[in-house]
Amino acid sequence: DVKVTQSSRYLVKRTGEKVFLECVQDMDHENMFWYRQDPGLGLRLIYFSYDVKMKEKGDIPEGYSVSREKKERFSLILESASTNQTSMYLCASSLPSGNQPQHFGDGTRLSIL
Amino acid sequence: ILNVEQSPQSLHVQEGDSTNFTCSFPSSNFYALHWYRWETAKSPEALFVMTLNGDEKKKGRISATLNTKEGYSYLYIKGSQPEDSATYLCAPANAGGTSYGKLTFGQGTILTVHP
Repeated sequence: DVKVTQSSRYLVKRTGEKVFLECVQDMDHENMFWYRQDPGLGLRLIYFSYDVKMKEKGDIPEGYSVSREKKERFSLILESASTNQTSMYLCASSLPSGNQPQHFGDGTRLSIL
Repeated sequence: ILNVEQSPQSLHVQEGDSTNFTCSFPSSNFYALHWYRWETAKSPEALFVMTLNGDEKKKGRISATLNTKEGYSYLYIKGSQPEDSATYLCAPANAGGTSYGKLTFGQGTILTVHP
């Protein structure tokens, strides 16, 4: 069975901290994605990677960076956490085509105090 | 950023009712349309990926249709059950370039099925 694993289900951090969210997939997928979900706004794409060390900004990249050093792992980094980054974060992976479904992790509910 | 609209925002139905909701998206540069179901405390799960105008897909009591020329898709649930309660998300994929595979999600339709 396919698996996308996010490192934490719940996370509480303080304003100004550097925060790392980790995502690992076991399907050998080229594409990996980070989204955030806020009430009434659906899933919004933060960053997208289509290959190792390759990344592309999504719709809301400000305040975030990403790292993809290995194919199976995609990390989201909050450089200096702020309260408006309190949200549900979802990682997904897919084969390299828009006609392939994305497979999601269980999400990380991040609270910035 | 693509403009993707889903309606209604939320829906309450009784067990056994049939229901449907709509996803509207830009028809230009269309490549594929995805539907996902997201149950509370679980991860979003792919229902359908549709690519051809007039396409119709079915999975049990759930089906979907696609009109790429006018930019809309319908999701139908026949004989709703409480376990169908979830948020249903649609997401078009556009063709071309390094954005290949990138989806833009609508805000979702929240379905609640009452026993």
